[in-house]
Amino acid sequence: EIVLTQSPGTLSLSPGERATLSCRASQSVISRYLAWHQQKPGQAPRLLIYGASSRPTDIPDRFSGSGSGTDFTLTISRLEPEDFAVYYCHQYGSSPYNFGQGTKLEIK
Amino acid sequence: HVQLVQSGAEVKKSGASVKVSCKASGYIFTNYYMHWVRQAPGQGLEWMGIINPSGGSTNYAQKFQGRVTMTRDTSTTTVYMELSSLRSEDTAVYYCARGDGIVADYWGQGTLVTVSS
Repeated sequence: EIVLTQSPGTLSLSPGERATLSCRASQSVISRYLAWHQQKPGQAPRLLIYGASSRPTDIPDRFSGSGSGTDFTLTISRLEPEDFAVYYCHQYGSSPYNFGQGTKLEIK
Repeated sequence: HVQLVQSGAEVKKSGASVKVSCKASGYIFTNYYMHWVRQAPGQGLEWMGIINPSGGSTNYAQKFQGRVTMTRDTSTTTVYMELSSLRSEDTAVYYCARGDGIVADYWGQGTLVTVSS
């Protein structure tokens, strides 16, 4: 089974800054089947990125994903106040389709 | 538009079973998988399993094998997740999430299941 490890656990930044979140897999993720989800308090998660770098049409272009194999990154180019939340990576290439433990992005 | 509407909160005793429903609308029900994911209070997301509404085939995380059953009713476009032998550690919010070629693209609002002794 693939274990996903996210870093850092907590990231403290200010609005307007750039955020870089990491997700490392214990084995190679098949076909870049890696997604990123955003979760705000009291809400369900929301899909931000799929296929490592593709964005659903309703997701702002300040969110971007990159990576392949075992190393993946979510970048938020300029943080908006509404971006402060918890982010989870999720591999869906091989069962079990595990999630990372999450990175909390908080306002500095 | 795609909607996944889950059943309401449940309170159960240890050892009991719970069945959570997820009604889908706004898309062709049998063309997409459905994941079940849970989140214990203050914790991260935990994948439980997936069902293919087309034929009903399932794939469960090993941790839940023998305790979880996922089913679907194509006539009402509803999927169900039943978890048995409940214990306090099963207290969590349970989510269904549509799988578009497996990627979870739309999520239900969540169902809080509280297990008390």
